[in-house]
Amino acid sequence: RKEVEQDPGPFNVPEGATVAFNCTYSNSASQSFFWYRQDCRKEPKLLMSVYSSGNEDGRFTAQLNRASQYISLLIRDSKLSDSATYLCVVNPIGGTSYGKLTFGQGTILTVHP
Amino acid sequence: GAGVSQTPSNKVTEKGKYVELRCDPISGHTALYWYRQSLGQGPEFLIYFQGTGAADDSGLPNDRFFAVRPEGSVSTLKIQRTERGDSAVYLCASSLLGSASGANVLTFGAGSRLTVL
Repeated sequence: RKEVEQDPGPFNVPEGATVAFNCTYSNSASQSFFWYRQDCRKEPKLLMSVYSSGNEDGRFTAQLNRASQYISLLIRDSKLSDSATYLCVVNPIGGTSYGKLTFGQGTILTVHP
Repeated sequence: GAGVSQTPSNKVTEKGKYVELRCDPISGHTALYWYRQSLGQGPEFLIYFQGTGAADDSGLPNDRFFAVRPEGSVSTLKIQRTERGDSAVYLCASSLLGSASGANVLTFGAGSRLTVL
């Protein structure tokens, strides 16, 4: 079983749609969680951290369920510029300020007019 | 520098050759990471430095791969006797450990695309 698993998609949605991505992780000791965004042939960039209580940043909402070892990302009112690959990222070692991050395969999103 | 700098951006080599990839992290970042990304996959962890020492090299696939960071800043990833399966984008990232948020946020460079013919 992979340490971090995502549905690779692709997700094709019209502008204005709401879309949700899911991710599961295998190490229950994991302490920190993130969503990164990667544009085509570019490097990954941090989209947002994921906190236990859930957090929102504009049109983006991230949720964490530690009991189910499940992370989600919700994008509301999709824009063409949201088209990218979304990477679920987990620090599997424990602790919050050091150690490697483990990336999922990524979920491809295409927003069309 | 302002961001993580990687050179070369593209490298084409022949099977069996030796390759070096360089990473210049953000000034002051104590942690430096190397990842490898194949087409359609997420970045795969290779090695992580804390200062000059390799804190975790569990992701290096075999002894053909080696990385150094002698002065705690610039790092070089070295690949001996390259194979076609080594073709990938090699990403370097750095982070500021012990940040106030407590979160290990990585800033990536643009990557070095390695093609082994």
